[in-house]
Amino acid sequence: KAGVTQTPRYLIKTRGQQVTLSCSPISGHRSVSWYQQTPGQGLQFLFEYFSETQRNKGNFPGRFSGRQFSNSRSEMNVSTLELGDSALYLCASSAGLAGLTRETQYFGPGTRLLVL
Amino acid sequence: AQTVTQSQPEMSVQEAETVTLSCTYDTSENNYYLFWYKQPPSRQMILVIRQEAYKQQNATENRFSVNFQKAAKSFSLKISDSQLGDTAMYFCAFMKQIRRANSKLTFGKGITLSVRP
Repeated sequence: KAGVTQTPRYLIKTRGQQVTLSCSPISGHRSVSWYQQTPGQGLQFLFEYFSETQRNKGNFPGRFSGRQFSNSRSEMNVSTLELGDSALYLCASSAGLAGLTRETQYFGPGTRLLVL
Repeated sequence: AQTVTQSQPEMSVQEAETVTLSCTYDTSENNYYLFWYKQPPSRQMILVIRQEAYKQQNATENRFSVNFQKAAKSFSLKISDSQLGDTAMYFCAFMKQIRRANSKLTFGKGITLSVRP
């Protein structure tokens, strides 16, 4: 099976702009989670989607949003970019079966965002 | 809230030797999962090993094994026969068990492991 793919891999934006990142999960996986990785804060959970619904959300401002499509592909959007949004954004997919959480999350290569 | 602590920021090991990476966590949950992920310089996060809290037996994957001490809330990773390709940042992560929702991963700060030839 192909792994998790993320596009674009690298992105440079300026403050105040908005950005959209895309994630395609492993075929058959229905859950997509997003994480932000920075040297200072480490890895932080942004949100998780399952069947086009946000099931879980981390402590990030409303400028960070996401969505999931019927084919399980997910996008995250950051509006009004700030310098502090510079980070590696990782997407992870899991089977997302109903019931008890037991699935492992598999990560994509990430999108490196630089805000100038 | 759960916390994961990796107190050693860096470690170094000679090729072919064994190294142990430490991780402690704090939780009031009884059912949860623990993971070790590896992130090489390419930045791709790769799953190394996973442990279910309800299992007393320590997980093993080839050269990688864990020492899971539930009462002590300790979860260390042992890498045997270290290889140059093991050079990476290693993250310990916690996931609590939730019904009808995928729980988030809570990560430690990571440890940079260098394997010397």
